[in-house]
Amino acid sequence: GAVVSQHPSWVICKSGTSVKIECRSLDFQATTMFWYRQFPKQSLMLMATSNEGSKATYEQGVEKDKFLINHASLTLSTLTVTSAHPEDSSFYICSGRGRRDVCYFGSGTRLTVV
Amino acid sequence: AQKITQTQPGMFVQEKEAVTLDCTYDTSDQSYGLFWYKQPSSGEMIFLIYQGSYDEQNATEGRYSLNFQKARKSANLVISASQLGDSAMYFCAMREGQRTGANNLFFGTGTRLTVIP
Repeated sequence: GAVVSQHPSWVICKSGTSVKIECRSLDFQATTMFWYRQFPKQSLMLMATSNEGSKATYEQGVEKDKFLINHASLTLSTLTVTSAHPEDSSFYICSGRGRRDVCYFGSGTRLTVV
Repeated sequence: AQKITQTQPGMFVQEKEAVTLDCTYDTSDQSYGLFWYKQPSSGEMIFLIYQGSYDEQNATEGRYSLNFQKARKSANLVISASQLGDSAMYFCAMREGQRTGANNLFFGTGTRLTVIP
């Protein structure tokens, strides 16, 4: 299947700092990338939809100024968690829409804010 | 209303046996897509199988098959000849408006499958 590379796979940061998570589609062009958040033992919650060359669309309740999304090219989308707080600790995972309209996921980033 | 319902929080299956993971969905769209993903403890989401609403035959991918019953709005995943490596969380997902726009996936709550040696 198609490959989406996501890094870092895990990060620990201090409260108040910012963290950038990158997702790259390696063998397909993803005009759309989806960013999800997953709490322990729960399902994936869509945070935002990122479209190449335009502003991201955020789901209700997701702060766009806190979770900055940039989709600068057809193969790269980034999520920056600004001024991170302990409650932002979570598993973040991206997906790109590839062949046959299947969404392929990155390997996820486990963020811990201390 | 929940768009995707997975009623089995956990399932156990003996190695080499087959297992069915249930999934029902709710949509008023005529065109939609159904997906199954596997999430091992490492966290990655692995695509397993896809079924389009207009596909007449049930999708199959190796040991995975999707039992698609449109009238009942169910899309159960069947794993044949279970292996220890199949132990993971399994998510059913749906995208409405197949092949249109940038529609995201709606996920069920998942089923944790444990394969017993």
